[in-house]
Amino acid sequence: QVQLVQSGTEVKKPGASVKVSCKTSGYTFTGYFIHWVRQAPGQGLEWMGWINPNGGGTSYAQKFQGRVTMTRDTSISTSHMELARLTSDDTAVYYCARTFGFSGNVFFDYWGQGTLVTVSS
Amino acid sequence: QSVLTQPPSASGTPGQRVTISCSGSSSNIGSNPVNWYQQLPGAAPRLLIYRNNQRPSGVPDRFSGSKSGTSASLAISGLQSEDEADYYCATWDGSLNGPSWVFGGGTKLTVL
Repeated sequence: QVQLVQSGTEVKKPGASVKVSCKTSGYTFTGYFIHWVRQAPGQGLEWMGWINPNGGGTSYAQKFQGRVTMTRDTSISTSHMELARLTSDDTAVYYCARTFGFSGNVFFDYWGQGTLVTVSS
Repeated sequence: QSVLTQPPSASGTPGQRVTISCSGSSSNIGSNPVNWYQQLPGAAPRLLIYRNNQRPSGVPDRFSGSKSGTSASLAISGLQSEDEADYYCATWDGSLNGPSWVFGGGTKLTVL
């Protein structure tokens, strides 16, 4: 069965960076894009960007360009999202989710369980 | 401020039919299919409806979706207590200001 399993809770100080991982199983890792979506406490969902595990190409939401880096390790079917220069506004649950391709005709069919990142001094 | 507009709350009694609206623009809903996600308390979102009106396997046929122009809606018939959750619409926005996936602000459904 398809599974996306994320790394555990993180607590960071303002100005630091955080790296969240998303380990996949149950399907061909390079056949699906991995997206990152975050949700601040009590708020809605916000898309951050995607990575194509087949080649490593990326596309980031304008808001996060210059601050986010998405990578992948095909040997362990895992994608990573690193967010730099953290502020309290980055406190959120971060989700990975997959799509078959990246056009407007796709959808997030499987999601990770989420990783809570808390930014506090 | 979300790009897609949803009512913040909706409610109904068991057995009733409720609808949740999602309003956008020509660069998003007007040009691309809409997907709906259900988020139970403390859980990750789950795909509920894709490409406007398609249900993934395992989603009851009580859930249905539709789209017209720059708006979409989710209907839930035969409301059940386990339907109490947050519901989000989503679509691709090809805006020249920066294409991205966009979500509605979410609608909290309460089963009275």
